[in-house]
Amino acid sequence: QTVVTQEPSLTVSPGGTVTLTCASSTGAVTSGYYPNWFQQNPGQAPRALIYSTSNKHSWTPARFSGSLLGGKAALTLSGVQPEDEAEYYCLLYYGSAWVFGGGTKLTVL
Amino acid sequence: QVQLQESGPGLVKPSGTLSLTCAVSGGSISSNNWWSWVRQPPGKGLEWIGEIYHSGSTKYKPSLKSRVTMSVDKSKNQFSLKLSSVTAADTAVYYCATSRDYVWGSWGQGALVTVSS
Repeated sequence: QTVVTQEPSLTVSPGGTVTLTCASSTGAVTSGYYPNWFQQNPGQAPRALIYSTSNKHSWTPARFSGSLLGGKAALTLSGVQPEDEAEYYCLLYYGSAWVFGGGTKLTVL
Repeated sequence: QVQLQESGPGLVKPSGTLSLTCAVSGGSISSNNWWSWVRQPPGKGLEWIGEIYHSGSTKYKPSLKSRVTMSVDKSKNQFSLKLSSVTAADTAVYYCATSRDYVWGSWGQGALVTVSS
Protein backbone atom coordinates (compact mmCIF):
# COMPACT_ATOMS: atom_id res chain seq x y z
CA GLN A 1 0.00 0.00 0.00
CA THR A 2 1.40 3.35 -1.07
CA VAL A 3 1.83 5.92 1.68
CA VAL A 4 2.31 9.65 1.20
CA THR A 5 3.85 11.35 4.22
CA GLN A 6 3.61 14.96 5.34
CA GLU A 7 4.73 16.69 8.52
CA PRO A 8 1.80 16.37 10.97
CA SER A 9 2.22 19.89 12.20
CA LEU A 10 4.37 22.99 11.72
CA THR A 11 4.43 26.38 13.39
CA VAL A 12 5.53 29.63 11.78
CA SER A 13 5.59 33.25 12.87
CA PRO A 14 3.65 35.88 10.93
CA GLY A 15 5.81 37.21 8.12
CA GLY A 16 8.03 34.15 8.23
CA THR A 17 8.73 31.42 5.72
CA VAL A 18 7.83 27.75 6.05
CA THR A 19 8.20 24.72 3.80
CA LEU A 20 5.85 21.75 3.90
CA THR A 21 6.98 18.52 2.28
CA CYS A 22 5.34 15.49 0.71
CA ALA A 23 7.18 12.19 0.51
CA SER A 24 6.28 8.94 -1.25
CA SER A 25 6.87 5.47 0.17
CA THR A 26 7.80 4.34 -3.36
CA GLY A 27 10.81 6.62 -3.61
CA ALA A 28 11.62 10.08 -4.88
CA VAL A 29 8.73 12.27 -5.95
CA THR A 30 9.13 13.56 -9.48
CA SER A 31 7.07 15.76 -11.75
CA GLY A 32 5.50 12.58 -13.10
CA TYR A 33 3.53 12.28 -9.87
CA TYR A 34 1.80 15.57 -10.80
CA PRO A 35 1.86 16.93 -7.23
CA ASN A 36 -1.17 18.98 -6.28
CA TRP A 37 -1.48 20.96 -3.05
CA PHE A 38 -4.66 21.95 -1.23
CA GLN A 39 -5.57 24.21 1.67
CA GLN A 40 -8.44 23.29 3.96
CA ASN A 41 -9.93 25.53 6.62
CA PRO A 42 -12.10 24.05 9.39
CA GLY A 43 -15.56 23.10 8.17
CA GLN A 44 -14.77 23.94 4.58
CA ALA A 45 -13.99 22.00 1.45
CA PRO A 46 -10.37 21.82 0.31
CA ARG A 47 -9.21 24.52 -2.07
CA ALA A 48 -6.66 23.81 -4.77
CA LEU A 49 -3.47 25.88 -4.53
CA ILE A 50 -0.78 24.27 -6.69
CA TYR A 51 -0.82 21.78 -9.57
CA SER A 52 1.83 19.88 -11.49
CA THR A 53 4.49 20.57 -8.86
CA SER A 54 4.77 24.34 -9.15
CA ASN A 55 1.92 25.87 -11.10
CA LYS A 56 -0.47 28.24 -9.35
CA HIS A 57 -4.18 28.62 -9.94
CA SER A 58 -5.43 32.10 -10.75
CA TRP A 59 -6.65 32.47 -7.17
CA THR A 60 -3.48 31.27 -5.46
CA PRO A 61 -1.73 34.05 -3.52
CA ALA A 62 1.77 34.85 -4.79
CA ARG A 63 3.31 33.92 -1.42
CA PHE A 64 2.59 30.23 -2.11
CA SER A 65 5.03 28.31 -4.27
CA GLY A 66 5.59 24.66 -5.12
CA SER A 67 8.74 22.76 -5.98
CA LEU A 68 10.63 19.48 -5.75
CA LEU A 69 13.08 19.40 -2.89
CA GLY A 70 15.32 16.53 -1.88
CA GLY A 71 13.14 13.87 -3.49
CA LYS A 72 9.93 15.30 -2.12
CA ALA A 73 7.26 17.69 -3.32
CA ALA A 74 7.34 20.91 -1.36
CA LEU A 75 5.01 23.82 -0.67
CA THR A 76 6.67 27.01 0.54
CA LEU A 77 4.84 29.93 2.10
CA SER A 78 6.81 33.17 2.16
CA GLY A 79 5.60 36.12 4.20
CA VAL A 80 3.05 34.03 6.06
CA GLN A 81 -0.22 35.71 6.96
CA PRO A 82 -2.50 34.82 9.90
CA GLU A 83 -5.13 33.60 7.45
CA ASP A 84 -2.70 30.94 6.20
CA GLU A 85 -3.33 28.94 9.37
CA ALA A 86 -5.01 25.83 7.98
CA GLU A 87 -4.53 22.18 7.08
CA TYR A 88 -2.54 21.52 3.92
CA TYR A 89 -2.71 18.34 1.85
CA CYS A 90 -0.59 17.10 -1.01
CA LEU A 91 -1.88 14.69 -3.63
CA LEU A 92 0.23 12.42 -5.84
CA TYR A 93 -0.68 10.37 -8.91
CA TYR A 94 0.46 6.73 -9.16
CA GLY A 95 -0.61 5.84 -12.68
CA SER A 96 -4.06 4.50 -11.87
CA ALA A 97 -4.80 6.07 -8.53
CA TRP A 98 -4.34 9.24 -6.56
CA VAL A 99 -3.10 9.22 -2.97
CA PHE A 100 -3.42 12.05 -0.48
CA GLY A 101 -0.84 12.82 2.14
CA GLY A 102 -1.93 12.77 5.75
CA GLY A 103 -2.00 16.55 5.93
CA THR A 104 0.03 19.22 7.73
CA LYS A 105 -1.60 21.42 10.33
CA LEU A 106 0.04 24.83 9.95
CA THR A 107 -0.14 27.11 12.95
CA VAL A 108 0.68 30.80 12.59
CA LEU A 109 1.86 32.02 15.98
CA GLN B 1 -14.94 27.00 -13.25
CA VAL B 2 -17.56 24.34 -12.86
CA GLN B 3 -19.61 24.17 -9.70
CA LEU B 4 -20.29 20.88 -7.96
CA GLN B 5 -23.01 19.96 -5.47
CA GLU B 6 -23.34 16.69 -3.59
CA SER B 7 -26.70 15.25 -2.56
CA GLY B 8 -27.96 12.08 -0.96
CA PRO B 9 -29.09 10.50 2.31
CA GLY B 10 -27.23 11.67 5.38
CA LEU B 11 -27.85 8.43 7.27
CA VAL B 12 -27.20 4.89 6.08
CA LYS B 13 -27.67 1.68 8.04
CA PRO B 14 -24.73 -0.68 8.59
CA SER B 15 -24.38 -3.26 5.80
CA GLY B 16 -26.41 -0.99 3.55
CA THR B 17 -25.36 0.96 0.47
CA LEU B 18 -24.30 4.59 0.52
CA SER B 19 -25.49 6.52 -2.54
CA LEU B 20 -24.48 10.05 -3.46
CA THR B 21 -24.89 12.20 -6.53
CA CYS B 22 -22.84 15.18 -7.66
CA ALA B 23 -24.56 17.74 -9.87
CA VAL B 24 -22.31 19.59 -12.30
CA SER B 25 -23.14 23.16 -13.32
CA GLY B 26 -21.25 25.72 -15.36
CA GLY B 27 -19.80 23.02 -17.57
CA SER B 28 -20.49 19.70 -19.24
CA ILE B 29 -19.84 16.34 -17.69
CA SER B 30 -18.81 15.26 -21.18
CA SER B 31 -15.85 17.61 -21.15
CA ASN B 32 -12.28 16.36 -20.90
CA ASN B 33 -12.45 16.06 -17.10
CA TRP B 34 -12.20 13.25 -14.61
CA TRP B 35 -14.85 13.34 -11.89
CA SER B 36 -13.72 12.24 -8.46
CA TRP B 37 -15.02 11.29 -5.06
CA VAL B 38 -12.99 12.06 -1.93
CA ARG B 39 -13.99 11.44 1.67
CA GLN B 40 -12.88 12.73 5.05
CA PRO B 41 -13.80 10.94 8.29
CA PRO B 42 -14.47 13.29 11.19
CA GLY B 43 -11.22 14.80 12.42
CA LYS B 44 -9.13 12.89 9.89
CA GLY B 45 -7.47 13.45 6.53
CA LEU B 46 -8.62 13.22 2.94
CA GLU B 47 -9.00 9.89 1.16
CA TRP B 48 -9.35 9.53 -2.61
CA ILE B 49 -12.08 7.00 -3.42
CA GLY B 50 -12.00 6.99 -7.19
CA GLU B 51 -12.78 8.84 -10.41
CA ILE B 52 -14.82 8.44 -13.56
CA TYR B 53 -14.63 9.81 -17.09
CA HIS B 54 -17.72 10.63 -19.12
CA SER B 55 -17.08 7.52 -21.22
CA GLY B 56 -17.63 5.43 -18.11
CA SER B 57 -13.98 4.60 -17.61
CA THR B 58 -13.19 4.35 -13.90
CA LYS B 59 -10.26 4.22 -11.50
CA TYR B 60 -10.85 3.16 -7.90
CA LYS B 61 -8.74 3.06 -4.75
CA PRO B 62 -7.61 -0.59 -4.59
CA SER B 63 -8.74 -1.17 -1.01
CA LEU B 64 -12.26 0.08 -1.79
CA LYS B 65 -12.61 -1.35 -5.29
CA SER B 66 -14.76 -4.31 -4.28
CA ARG B 67 -17.39 -2.02 -2.73
CA VAL B 68 -17.37 1.03 -5.02
CA THR B 69 -19.37 1.75 -8.14
CA MET B 70 -19.30 5.07 -9.96
CA SER B 71 -21.50 6.12 -12.84
CA VAL B 72 -22.24 9.09 -15.07
CA ASP B 73 -25.65 10.40 -16.15
CA LYS B 74 -25.07 12.65 -19.14
CA SER B 75 -28.74 13.57 -19.47
CA LYS B 76 -28.69 15.08 -15.98
CA ASN B 77 -25.09 16.32 -16.10
CA GLN B 78 -24.23 14.49 -12.92
CA PHE B 79 -22.20 11.58 -11.61
CA SER B 80 -22.78 9.20 -8.75
CA LEU B 81 -21.11 7.09 -6.10
CA LYS B 82 -22.35 3.86 -4.57
CA LEU B 83 -20.48 2.25 -1.67
CA SER B 84 -21.82 -1.09 -0.51
CA SER B 85 -21.59 -3.03 2.74
CA VAL B 86 -20.93 0.11 4.76
CA THR B 87 -19.77 0.14 8.35
CA ALA B 88 -19.19 2.90 10.87
CA ALA B 89 -15.73 3.35 9.38
CA ASP B 90 -17.39 4.74 6.24
CA THR B 91 -18.85 7.66 8.19
CA ALA B 92 -17.34 10.75 6.61
CA VAL B 93 -17.87 13.94 4.70
CA TYR B 94 -17.97 12.94 1.05
CA TYR B 95 -16.74 15.45 -1.52
CA CYS B 96 -17.00 15.40 -5.27
CA ALA B 97 -14.27 17.13 -7.23
CA THR B 98 -12.91 17.37 -10.74
CA SER B 99 -9.57 17.29 -12.46
CA ARG B 100 -8.30 17.78 -15.98
CA ASP B 101 -4.84 16.90 -17.25
CA TYR B 102 -3.83 16.06 -13.66
CA VAL B 103 -4.92 19.51 -12.49
CA TRP B 104 -7.40 19.42 -9.64
CA GLY B 105 -9.80 22.35 -9.49
CA SER B 106 -13.36 22.60 -8.28
CA TRP B 107 -14.75 20.82 -5.24
CA GLY B 108 -18.28 20.48 -3.93
CA GLN B 109 -19.10 21.71 -0.45
CA GLY B 110 -19.27 18.16 0.92
CA ALA B 111 -22.01 15.91 2.27
CA LEU B 112 -21.85 14.26 5.68
CA VAL B 113 -22.90 10.63 5.62
CA THR B 114 -23.29 8.81 8.92
CA VAL B 115 -23.46 5.03 9.11
CA SER B 116 -25.59 4.06 12.08
CA SER B 117 -28.56 1.91 12.96
